[in-house]
Amino acid sequence: EAQVTQNPRYLITVTGKKLTVTCSQNMNHEYMSWYRQDPGLGLRQIYYSMNVEVTDKGDVPEGYKVSRKEKRNFPLILESPSPNQTSLYFCASSPLGGPNSGANVLTFGAGSRLTVL
Amino acid sequence: AQSVTQPDIHITVSEGASLELRCNYSYGATPYLFWYVQSPGQGLQLLLKYFSGDTLVQGIKGFEAEFKRSQSSFNLRKPSVHWSDAAEYFCAVGAKGNKLVFGAGTILRVKS
Repeated sequence: EAQVTQNPRYLITVTGKKLTVTCSQNMNHEYMSWYRQDPGLGLRQIYYSMNVEVTDKGDVPEGYKVSRKEKRNFPLILESPSPNQTSLYFCASSPLGGPNSGANVLTFGAGSRLTVL
Repeated sequence: AQSVTQPDIHITVSEGASLELRCNYSYGATPYLFWYVQSPGQGLQLLLKYFSGDTLVQGIKGFEAEFKRSQSSFNLRKPSVHWSDAAEYFCAVGAKGNKLVFGAGTILRVKS
């Protein structure tokens, strides 16, 4: 089944404890992206990647890092989490070019709910 | 900058009644427009999309949306709502920076 898989789905952590949220897709998509969802704000893009070793900031990149060493994986790293990073996180992928290129459509993972105490 | 406005935070409709969810966007060129649905505890599922051509687009689960350039709108409609349609609905526009810009969402409640 074609899908985007995120882990963990739920995580409670404490301020300053580094964590990584993994994302993997099995559709051979070039484009991958991370969003966070907060009540009343919808989803906002954190980082995106057009291909392996190519990443760029989205609208809310502060406090996050990403890497794209393999096509299928796009982990989100919180080096020193803070309470304002408590949120629901979504990874998404699409074929070449991303959501504003041609007829590409984003496929989303099921989400990772992160709580930082 | 591109933006999407969903004026209604919550909407409640009776089962079997018609539904219209409003979406207005701000974008300089011809937009790529999307509606996604998020059921409780679930990810986002694409309902329908508009890229070009016919301004009335059909989606899954009996939903449709109409692109009106003059009003910068892309409203979502369904003629008869089912209890299983209760969810949060997001309108989005494809934007520069290879991203989707989302509205804040509309929570749909269905009364039996």
